[in-house]
Amino acid sequence: EADIYQTPRYLVIGTGKKITLECSQTMGHDKMYWYQQDPGMELHLIHYSYGVNSTEKGDLSSESTVSRIRTEHFPLTLESARPSHTSQYLCASSPPGAGSNEKLFFGSGTQLSVL
Amino acid sequence: AQRVTQPEKLLSVFKGAPVELKCNYSYSGSPELFWYVQYSRQRLQLLLRHISRESIKGFTADLNKGETSFHLKKPFAQEEDSAMYYCALIGAPGTYKYIFGTGTRLKVLA
Repeated sequence: EADIYQTPRYLVIGTGKKITLECSQTMGHDKMYWYQQDPGMELHLIHYSYGVNSTEKGDLSSESTVSRIRTEHFPLTLESARPSHTSQYLCASSPPGAGSNEKLFFGSGTQLSVL
Repeated sequence: AQRVTQPEKLLSVFKGAPVELKCNYSYSGSPELFWYVQYSRQRLQLLLRHISRESIKGFTADLNKGETSFHLKKPFAQEEDSAMYYCALIGAPGTYKYIFGTGTRLKVLA
């Protein structure tokens, strides 16, 4: 089934650990995004990609990194997790083209807690 | 600076009452505006976009460039409309970078 998948759904981890949040989509979308959201706050764009080997930083500074080696896969990595990284991370994708095609499809999110 | 403002964190209305969720934006140019909704235990999803001029689940939103607003309206609220609503704007043409507001939680009371 065409969808966008995020794993894990919840992650509790200690300070200093390296983590990778997975995001995959089977909808043939070219554009993918990572958003960070704290409770009661807006979604902040931290990374985006317009296609394979294309990655850009978003408006919110983040210590995370991303890669886009395959169209369907857009993982986010934190080399050394800190308590300030505790947040919800949402992955999204959107189809090619603009105008009437333009919309974001979101994954279920990963709630990250760094102790 | 490009910004989306949703002044109400929480809006409570009774079933059958009219609903208006406010959204104001600051953007120099012709914006593309959207409303996204997140129902309990579901993903964030598109509700409607101004370019389509559509009505979804009884909701409409009109872009008012003079007031830089894109308020979401429904004449008669239903309990199933209870959800978190986010107004969003595409920040720059061709970049597909969305800017989101802080969201408004709508509670429809029986």
